Amino acid sequence: ELKVEQNPLFLSMQEEKNYTIYCNYSTTSDRLYWYRQDPGKSLESLFVLLSNGAVKQEGRLMASLDTKARLSTLHITAAVHDLSATYFCAVGGGSQGNLIFGKGTKLSVKP
Amino acid sequence: DADVTQTPRNRITKTGKRIMLECSQTKGHDRMYWYRQDPGLGLRLIYYSFDVKDINKGEISDGYSVSRQAQAKFSLSLESAIPNQTALYFCATSEKGTGTDTQYFGPGTRLTVL
Repeated sequence: ELKVEQNPLFLSMQEEKNYTIYCNYSTTSDRLYWYRQDPGKSLESLFVLLSNGAVKQEGRLMASLDTKARLSTLHITAAVHDLSATYFCAVGGGSQGNLIFGKGTKLSVKP
Repeated sequence: DADVTQTPRNRITKTGKRIMLECSQTKGHDRMYWYRQDPGLGLRLIYYSFDVKDINKGEISDGYSVSRQAQAKFSLSLESAIPNQTALYFCATSEKGTGTDTQYFGPGTRLTVL
């Protein structure tokens, strides 16, 4: 059974600081997704990582994938308030085509 | 206009009532999904459909049924709603063969069962 674990589940950051969210998954997968969810809103796709060593960057967010360690990281550089949201990683690519989500990391960036 | 729409956006109902949540998409995707989100649990898959004639149970299908009326429409029904079905429900779509198989989510339906 594929399981996805994120940590931390809650993260309170100060502006301009750096931090990393970790996503571990239990079995082999060929796709790793990061989504963002603002309070009361839908999920927005941020990154899709398809191969070992893949790195994607968008603004202050950078995601990477290590398939051997079954680990993805979402690194936040110089956090700003606008990044406050809940971030989910999800793993997919199996025959069913569905995604298994982590529980999410609620990020709060404070001045 | 939004590519994935859900109706209603909010619904309050009573235990035992039949409820239908509807999802429509204009993305032309062949795959559609229903998830529920509960605080602290992430999203869990209820049902998914790869095309009109292909419907499959997900992780938590008990108490739910679905109908894929057309490629663009996928409905979720609660035949007899119970309070622990109170949750935020999301519809999602994806397209086979794109390489990424990214799922795109609708705005969600907040369902409260009293």
